[in-house]
Amino acid sequence: NAGVTQTPKFQVLKTGQSMTLQCAQDMNHNSMYWYRQDPGMGLRLIYYSASEGTTDKGEVPNGYNVSRLNKREFSLRLESAAPSQTSVYFCASSDPGTSYGYTFGSGTRLTVV
Amino acid sequence: AQSVTQLGSHVSVSEGALVLLRCNYSSSVPPYLFWYVQYPNQGLQLLLKYTSAATLVKGINGFEAEFKKSETSFHLTKPSAHMSDAAEYFCAVGERGSTLGRLYFGRGTQLTVWP
Repeated sequence: NAGVTQTPKFQVLKTGQSMTLQCAQDMNHNSMYWYRQDPGMGLRLIYYSASEGTTDKGEVPNGYNVSRLNKREFSLRLESAAPSQTSVYFCASSDPGTSYGYTFGSGTRLTVV
Repeated sequence: AQSVTQLGSHVSVSEGALVLLRCNYSSSVPPYLFWYVQYPNQGLQLLLKYTSAATLVKGINGFEAEFKKSETSFHLTKPSAHMSDAAEYFCAVGERGSTLGRLYFGRGTQLTVWP
């Protein structure tokens, strides 16, 4: 089925460790996004990419980096994980030129101890 | 930037009762409007969206929402709640004409359905 695939689904890190969250979409969408979801805070935008080769900061970019490797893939990297980065991370994609609205991945539940 | 307010972070209803989840937006130009649903431990899926002239929008699972420009609202309703409707619901807005297509989300409303 067409959609957005995120890996891994679950991850536990120790403080200071690094990791990369992977996201890939097969809908030929130009725009991709990374959000974090915390209780009572809703969805907060970390980074987004309007097209291959471009990335921009969202509301809460500190402690994260991203790479738009190609049109399909948009990865999120935590260089030195902190407990405050414990959250559920969602990747999404969209293409307002064809159909407005997001398609979300199933999420990555990250715990930093 | 767009702004979305969801009134009530928690709503509880009895099975069979009316569901009403409120959403107001802040925009000088009527935006695109969306409701997403998130079931426990899952991602978000589109419930319905308003992008055209029809102000009453029907979505999946018997939900519908009405765009009211004068009230800058897009409230979500369902005539009769079912236990399976228990989930978190997010209202979102997007700017017309945006080439990025970014959505701005409310903080969510947790719906509990009592038997």
